[in-house]
Amino acid sequence: DGGITQSPKYLFRKEGQNVTLSCEQNLNHDAMYWYRQDPGQGLRLIYYSQIVNDFQKGDIAEGYSVSREKKESFPLTVTSAQKNPTAFYLCASIAGGASTDTQYFGPGTRLTVL
Amino acid sequence: RKEVEQDPGPFNVPEGATVAFNCTYSNSASQSFFWYRQDCRKEPKLLMSVYSSGNEDGRFTAQLNRASQYISLLIRDSKLSDSATYLCVVNRGSGSARQLTFGSGTQLTVLP
Repeated sequence: DGGITQSPKYLFRKEGQNVTLSCEQNLNHDAMYWYRQDPGQGLRLIYYSQIVNDFQKGDIAEGYSVSREKKESFPLTVTSAQKNPTAFYLCASIAGGASTDTQYFGPGTRLTVL
Repeated sequence: RKEVEQDPGPFNVPEGATVAFNCTYSNSASQSFFWYRQDCRKEPKLLMSVYSSGNEDGRFTAQLNRASQYISLLIRDSKLSDSATYLCVVNRGSGSARQLTFGSGTQLTVLP
């Protein structure tokens, strides 16, 4: 089945450690996105990528980094510079072209920094 | 002012009730609008797009008022399974450069 996978579902890390969250899609979508969601809040955009080898900062990029070496993969690294990394992280993708705006989400990764 | 604002609720309604959510957006250049549904501790899922002429999908009706910059979602004959958080979403990008801005969500609980 086509879709977006994120792993792991739950992740625990010690303060000061970098951690990389995986996001893979087999939908052949061009654009991919990373969001962060805190309790009782909406999604906030961290980074997005329209095409391979290109990405742009979103609204809250500080303390995060990404890469887009392959169309199907868009990993997010939460660095030790991120002051409050505990959150629910969601990856999403959209097909290329202006014909559709439907954004598909992965199941998310809950990161807890101890 | 937030780009997309929603009443956080919670809305607690009995089964069979009709409930309406409103959402306002600040960027008048926004081109496309959506309602997403998010169940507890799950990812958001597209409920419906919102078209200028208004659109209906079964018990759900979405409307857009560009002049007043608000979007609404009406749920008729509420079911227990409608209990979720409803997110108002606005695309502030242009063409293929989509940047979706999410509201904080409105929590709905349908009571038996």
